[in-house]
Amino acid sequence: GAVVSQHPSWVICKSGTSVKIECRSLDFQATTMFWYRQFPKQSLMLMATSNEGSKATYEQGVEKDKFLINHASLTLSTLTVTSAHPEDSSFYICSARDRQGDYNEQFFGPGTRLTVL
Amino acid sequence: AQSVAQPEDQVNVAEGNPLTVKCTYSVSGNPYLFWYVQYPNRGLQFLLKYITGDNLVKGSYGFEAEFNKSQTSFHLKKPSALVSDSALYFCAVRALRSNDYKLSFGAGTTVTVRA
Repeated sequence: GAVVSQHPSWVICKSGTSVKIECRSLDFQATTMFWYRQFPKQSLMLMATSNEGSKATYEQGVEKDKFLINHASLTLSTLTVTSAHPEDSSFYICSARDRQGDYNEQFFGPGTRLTVL
Repeated sequence: AQSVAQPEDQVNVAEGNPLTVKCTYSVSGNPYLFWYVQYPNRGLQFLLKYITGDNLVKGSYGFEAEFNKSQTSFHLKKPSALVSDSALYFCAVRALRSNDYKLSFGAGTTVTVRA
């Protein structure tokens, strides 16, 4: 149980295009999902907290117009990188909290590798 | 504010030897503490957690960790390391009283187990 998937697992795009990354909780409902960014061999940096049915809460320094987050259902959150540039290339990881489980646990997706050319 | 320190960027051990990955934390009040492991190009896998109770926590794949409140530490240990334990390990913390459920991660420790 408690499986989180991400799609796509990797994506290559041209500079200036937008890319959407999906995060799904497969066997539980998640009222809260988190989006992280990770640079090679570095820690996870929290970008935003996504709450179902409401606006995402962004961490300081994260451009909300650049990284659009939508959490339209209890099992799906999406991160759209708008007008992507090479500096947006990174590994993006989502996590989800089980609505009916231990609120302290986050279940992580496998990550999405974004490369912007 | 909450934070985690993993003082070692890398830990190298021989297979069969004990493995220790260090973690210290800073948090207001009581902590929730977690260890995760990450293999190349993969997401994080949960190893174990401490919330309350016994200070020695046992987790997946033979790992354990000891919560030490006086030293604000939560070191990860494995009595006999395997080559397959080679990976990136993260310690994470959140405050018990925090209502935003955000985790703060350490910088990570790369473990290399040589055959």
